[in-house]
Amino acid sequence: RKEVEQDPGPFNVPEGATVAFNCTYSNSASQSFFWYRQDCRKEPKLLMSVYSSGNEDGRFTAQLNRASQYISLLIRDSKLSDSATYLCVVDSGGSNYKLTFGKGTLLTVNP
Amino acid sequence: SAVISQKPSRDICQRGTSLTIQCQVDSQVTMMFWYRQQPGQSLTLIATANQGSEATYESGFVIDKFPISRPNLTFSTLTVSNMSPEDSSIYLCSVVVTREGQYFGPGTRLTVT
Repeated sequence: RKEVEQDPGPFNVPEGATVAFNCTYSNSASQSFFWYRQDCRKEPKLLMSVYSSGNEDGRFTAQLNRASQYISLLIRDSKLSDSATYLCVVDSGGSNYKLTFGKGTLLTVNP
Repeated sequence: SAVISQKPSRDICQRGTSLTIQCQVDSQVTMMFWYRQQPGQSLTLIATANQGSEATYESGFVIDKFPISRPNLTFSTLTVSNMSPEDSSIYLCSVVVTREGQYFGPGTRLTVT
């Protein structure tokens, strides 16, 4: 089993659609979880952290299910500017802050 | 957050040569990381570079190939030695500011011919 596995994508959605990304991780000791966004030919940028209680930032909602080792990201009312690759990222579980990245899911929002 | 710069932003190098990539942060940070992102792939951690200690390399990466320096809390270098076309990749440094994730430099796009 891969350490961090994401929907392979790509996702092509119209503007205004709701889109959900799923991710599973294999390390039960992981404590910190993130979604990063990477635009073409740019560095990854932190989109949001993911907590067990779930967290929301505007149109973005992230959920974590520790029992299932499952992470999700929901984007509502998608915009053209949401087009990017979304990376599911999980820490190693120790105090060394090392991160493991999923392969990413490419989202294209169409007019 | 932190502002991170990398030099060079891109380079084209001949096989067998070496390239040193610089990473500069606008604040003092203890933990710094170097990643590689090969074409069409996600990020792979090369090593952890903490000031005051030897770099710690991940499986598949060795110091002779990727020597790292960390002379102070705002700066690090990664050297890609004896390059081959398989080393063509984007190399990124990142820093930990808080437990809330890492921040990345803009990357160095390396092409080896």
